[in-house]
This record gives sequence, C-alpha cells and structure tokens, in this order.
Amino acid sequence: DTAVSQTPKYLVTQMGNDKSIKCEQNLGHDTMYWYKQDSKKFLKIMFSYNNKELIINETVPNRFSPKSPDKAHLNLHINSLELGDSAVYFCASSQRSLREKLFFGSGTQLSVL
Amino acid sequence: GQQVMQIPQYQHVQEGEDFTTYCNSSTTLSNIQWYKQRPGGHPVFLIQLVKSGEVKKQKRLTFQFGEAKKNSSLHITATQTTDVGTYFCAGFSGNTGKLIFGQGTTLQVKP
Repeated sequence: DTAVSQTPKYLVTQMGNDKSIKCEQNLGHDTMYWYKQDSKKFLKIMFSYNNKELIINETVPNRFSPKSPDKAHLNLHINSLELGDSAVYFCASSQRSLREKLFFGSGTQLSVL
Repeated sequence: GQQVMQIPQYQHVQEGEDFTTYCNSSTTLSNIQWYKQRPGGHPVFLIQLVKSGEVKKQKRLTFQFGEAKKNSSLHITATQTTDVGTYFCAGFSGNTGKLIFGQGTTLQVKP
C-alpha cells in the first residue's frame, strides 16, 4: 500500500483553467503539506495542515487554495492557472510536525500551456 | 530570513570515487534531515541528525552535524551507479518552526 498517494501524476492544461490535485495518506499522520518543486529542483513549502487546521501558509498566490476534509486528505485547488505555475507539486506528511521526517507522495507534474 | 545553502549544485564522479555534499544554515538548527530524490522520483528520507557534532553512518553514507549546529555534510564512499540522484539537506529551526530545504546536489556517476 502506498503511504502517501496523490493524483493525478501528470496534468497538462491551458492557461486560465482551474485544476485540482488530490492527496491521501494512510500513515495516521497528523500533519500534511504541499511542496512545489521548480525546474531547478528547489523544494519550497506552500501549505501545512495539522489535524485539518491550516498552520503554514507561505506567500502563495490566493489562486491556490488547499482543503483538508479530514486529517488523511489534503487537496490543492488552483484557479486561473498561469504559465509560471508549471512545476512538480508534492504532497507530504509527517507524524506531528516539521521537526519530524517527511513522507512524500510521488508528485504531480503540472504543465500549463 | 532563515536560509540553507547547499554545495555543490552538481557533481560528476567516476564509479568508485568518493562524493561529499555540504549544507550551511544562516541560523542554528534544531535538527537537520537528509533526503534523496532519484531522477523522476520523489524525495525519500535518509536520516535525521539532532545532536551537536553527531555522526551517523548508513553503509557507505556518512552524515555529520556540525558542532555549532549550523552545518552538515553527507559523504558517500566508493560511489555506485545506484547512488545517482539529488541529495537534499533540510534544516529545522525551533525558532521559526520551519523546515527549509537546501537547493540540492545532483550526483551523476559514470560507470
């Protein structure tokens, strides 16, 4: 069983569209994250939720809206997609906090044309 | 703000040669984590160092945490083609509550 699973693996879309990425973890962890990895492989945290509560919200455009219906799920909705949003988006989880090791999903390669 | 710098950005070695990547933080860290990302894959946790001056080994990999808890290194002895990938350090600061990733070092190993 995959510990952290995210879908879809690839997402190709036109500028201006709205898209969602889903993430689920079966590890029983309290905290989930969204990371963005750019073309230079730099990993930057976007959001973090602990038990469905938003605890980290980095300077991300408000076109990005995370939603956590329960502590095992953290979805990412992106409105009005722009070319610069093209990247790999990783979902991750940790048992309690960022102090502990992260378990990453396999990533979603987003290409905005 | 808190920054974590990692060097070198790229390293090409011949199989059997040693490899080292270095990580430096602008602030004192509570702990440092290391991850490996294979080409096309996702980051996978390798190890966490917590104590000042700590050294940990995993087979051919040796991880060190500096005495001041502001720098760390990963050394691979006698590289193999399976070591190919990008190695990231990530420093956690108790003051900021943030985990900041270094830029990563991409290792290529020529057979």
